[in-house]
Amino acid sequence: DTEVTQTPKHLVMGMTNKKSLKCEQHMGHRAMYWYKQKAKKPPELMFVYSYEKLSINESVPSRFSPECPNSSLLNLHLHALQPEDSALYLCASSQDVPGSPYGYTFGSGTRLTVV
Amino acid sequence: DQQVKQNSPSLSVQEGRISILNCDYTNSMFDYFLWYKKYPAEGPTFLISISSIKDKNEDGRFTVFLNKSAKHLSLHIVPSQPGDSAVYFCASRRPGGGADGLTFGKGTHLIIQP
Repeated sequence: DTEVTQTPKHLVMGMTNKKSLKCEQHMGHRAMYWYKQKAKKPPELMFVYSYEKLSINESVPSRFSPECPNSSLLNLHLHALQPEDSALYLCASSQDVPGSPYGYTFGSGTRLTVV
Repeated sequence: DQQVKQNSPSLSVQEGRISILNCDYTNSMFDYFLWYKKYPAEGPTFLISISSIKDKNEDGRFTVFLNKSAKHLSLHIVPSQPGDSAVYFCASRRPGGGADGLTFGKGTHLIIQP
């Protein structure tokens, strides 16, 4: 299995809703990432988990709450989002071995619309 | 401050010709670079990478060249095919080693014309 699977593919939520995005990989990768991509912009890093521990938080607002229940799963919990949070949310994974060739694999993303 | 720059938002190339996509970076600590191809509403797909200890890496129709002194890299696609039409992102592994994420350029939309 060489894929990163993200669910759901599309999500529409109100500003008072609570929802979660899910990401799964079975490549044995020990680093997992959340990126956010707005239209006509590059992906921007949000969070990094290394060996199931949060290692990087790029000053993301607390209405986004990541969780890594185990080495194969990564969640992003959403609460009280704003319309400007509408974007494509990408999950990625990689080997976390310093000095090794990097093999990042991205999922196909969740298209989130906040209404 | 953009640390990875792709100054051409779009590039149009005739089918069968060479496509050259350019990327510049400002952080001399960057040591590993990657190129991704992306279709709308899909995740980026890895194409090719290069370590800063090399100046060239080739994989089939794709070749990446790195000029460290100029902090410049380029992706060559030969010959260009219609399926190559997509947005191409240049990315750098952030310094620090380990799981540290990627910094992306703004992308170049490559259009292959028949």
